[in-house]
Amino acid sequence: GQSLEQPSEVTAVEGAIVQMNCTYQTSGFYGLSWYQQHDGGAPTFLSYNALDGLEETGRFSSFLSRSDSYGYLLLQELQMKDSASYFCAVRSHNYGQNFVFGPGTRLSVLP
Amino acid sequence: KAGVTQTPRYLIKTRGQQVTLSCSPISGHRSVSWYQQTPGQGLQFLFEYFSETQRNKGNFPGRFSGRQFSNSRSEMNVSTLELGDSALYLCASSPTGTSTDTQYFGPGTRLTVL
Repeated sequence: GQSLEQPSEVTAVEGAIVQMNCTYQTSGFYGLSWYQQHDGGAPTFLSYNALDGLEETGRFSSFLSRSDSYGYLLLQELQMKDSASYFCAVRSHNYGQNFVFGPGTRLSVLP
Repeated sequence: KAGVTQTPRYLIKTRGQQVTLSCSPISGHRSVSWYQQTPGQGLQFLFEYFSETQRNKGNFPGRFSGRQFSNSRSEMNVSTLELGDSALYLCASSPTGTSTDTQYFGPGTRLTVL
């Protein structure tokens, strides 16, 4: 099968840097995506890694290592509004190209 | 461009009833995917439609079905509702549904089954 694992909760303070990890077990996929979801809101796209390495978009960076079956999302200069759930997701080669989402990491940013 | 819209936003049904949810994708997007989100199971893929054809299907019983119209709008139907069907149902659209497409999610329909 295929599965993604994420820590359930992370807490950090305003202005800090936080890294949220995603480990996966899937035999083949196109790339790793990250989505943010605020309470009561819809998931919104943050970042996509098609290849190994680091992708940077403003305060957000995402990293993928296929050899380690591992990725992470890095948030810098944390703001209160970053408090949300963060999901990693893959689109598998092998299961009808279905999207599979991780369970999500709930980030709480403290003042 | 207007975002993905879903109607209704909230719905209360009783066991055994059926329900139809609607999704209007972003203009020009041809791929629509549906997801079920619950606290216990997270975001689970239901199915994807592209050009009026179901292209992919998740691991859900046949009570869950959908369709897509020529204008790319999509509906999802759940028959013989069960308590466990209570969830947030999200649809997402993308231009072509290829592996590199970004999915844009709607606000969801919150279904409560009593």
